[in-house]
Amino acid sequence: AQTVTQSQPEMSVQEAETVTLSCTYDTSESNYYLFWYKQPPSRQMILVIRQEAYKQQNATENRFSVNFQKAAKSFSLKISDSQLGDTAMYFCAFMKNGGGGADGLTFGKGTHLIIQP
Amino acid sequence: DVKVTQSSRYLVKRTGEKVFLECVQDMDHENMFWYRQDPGLGLRLIYFSYDVKMKEKGDIPEGYSVSREKKERFSLILESASTNQTSMYLCASSLVGQPMNTEAFFGQGTRLTVV
Repeated sequence: AQTVTQSQPEMSVQEAETVTLSCTYDTSESNYYLFWYKQPPSRQMILVIRQEAYKQQNATENRFSVNFQKAAKSFSLKISDSQLGDTAMYFCAFMKNGGGGADGLTFGKGTHLIIQP
Repeated sequence: DVKVTQSSRYLVKRTGEKVFLECVQDMDHENMFWYRQDPGLGLRLIYFSYDVKMKEKGDIPEGYSVSREKKERFSLILESASTNQTSMYLCASSLVGQPMNTEAFFGQGTRLTVV
């Protein structure tokens, strides 16, 4: 079984600042995916970014990027030029490769990010 | 766009009632999931299904059952609701096969209160 740990229950930054959310995980799998999901007050879960474990290059999506350290089992999310609309719960998640994805995602407990005007 | 629709956003039920939470997806996804979300605990997997009539237990199946009679519909059943099942319930779906199965699509959640 795998576990995902998010050690920051809540963070608050000023608009336009850069913020980094931490995530560590534990698994015996060698091939897997890691994700960051965003859940705004509307409750709709939105995929922010995904990383394949076999890829050394860190994934980026516009203002969002990750720092993936496979040996350390660390997967942090960096949000640059933060905006008010980034205020949300952010969940780090793990999915093992294989099995058609039917096993689902293992989530961390979440980080509540607040962007202050 | 993929749409995952949960039948209710808010639901209030009495202890001991049988409760049905319905989820429908419109993109012919094979995989469907039910998660429970509680503050400070994140999302936890209750049950999942990879095909019609197939179901597998997740991490916290006790007190729940599921039904998948049609590919697009996945129902979560609380046989006898209890107050400790008060929670937010999220349904999700995904395709089989990579890389498509690496993106799960979620419904907007049902906030269930058991009184």
